[in-house]
Amino acid sequence: DIQMTQSPSSLSASVGDRVTITCRASQVISDFLNWYQHKPGKAPKLLIYGATSLQSGVPSRFSGRGSGTDFTLTISNVQPEDFATYYCQKTFTTPYTFGQGTKLE
Amino acid sequence: EVQLLESGGGLVQPGKSLRLSCATSGFTFSHYAMAWVRQAPGRGLEWVSSIGNSGSTPFYANSVKGRFTISRDNSKNTLYLQMSSLRAEDTALYYCAKDTSSWYDYWGQGTQVTVAS
Repeated sequence: DIQMTQSPSSLSASVGDRVTITCRASQVISDFLNWYQHKPGKAPKLLIYGATSLQSGVPSRFSGRGSGTDFTLTISNVQPEDFATYYCQKTFTTPYTFGQGTKLE
Repeated sequence: EVQLLESGGGLVQPGKSLRLSCATSGFTFSHYAMAWVRQAPGRGLEWVSSIGNSGSTPFYANSVKGRFTISRDNSKNTLYLQMSSLRAEDTALYYCAKDTSSWYDYWGQGTQVTVAS
């Protein structure tokens, strides 16, 4: 199975900062990489699909880059509502593995 | 408005069975693949299973293969997860999700499954 390694596991930031989360696949997955935001007690929320496409309604301060094996999620100008846990997910082949998560605090 | 509502969770003894349901509305259910994702206490998201729009091509995580069965009733706009031989490590919040071309754009609020004696 293709493994997904997400880093860092936690990230300290302040409002207005720019932060980047990395996700690395153990094999090439083309652009079959999605990013989700998850807050306690809430359903996960799709942010980025196909590695770089912004989901409708998601603020433009969220952006995704990468293809192949290396991917990043960047939040520019972090806002108070952005403090949450972020997950990457690959959907190239099953299992559709999630990364371990990055808690932004 | 797209809505997904999971039900059927609860406290169950190890080795027993449970069936989860996910009732949907606000989209043409029969046009989309669907998935189950879970989150164990203190852990991250774990993909559990997916099923194609017609009910064919089910896929499972290795951790549940042979014990869980995903199915759907397109006439009722409902997704199911039949769980058997449950283990303590299956304790989690189970989410259903709508799969739009390999990404999950809508999720339910989840149903809690606790496996304990």
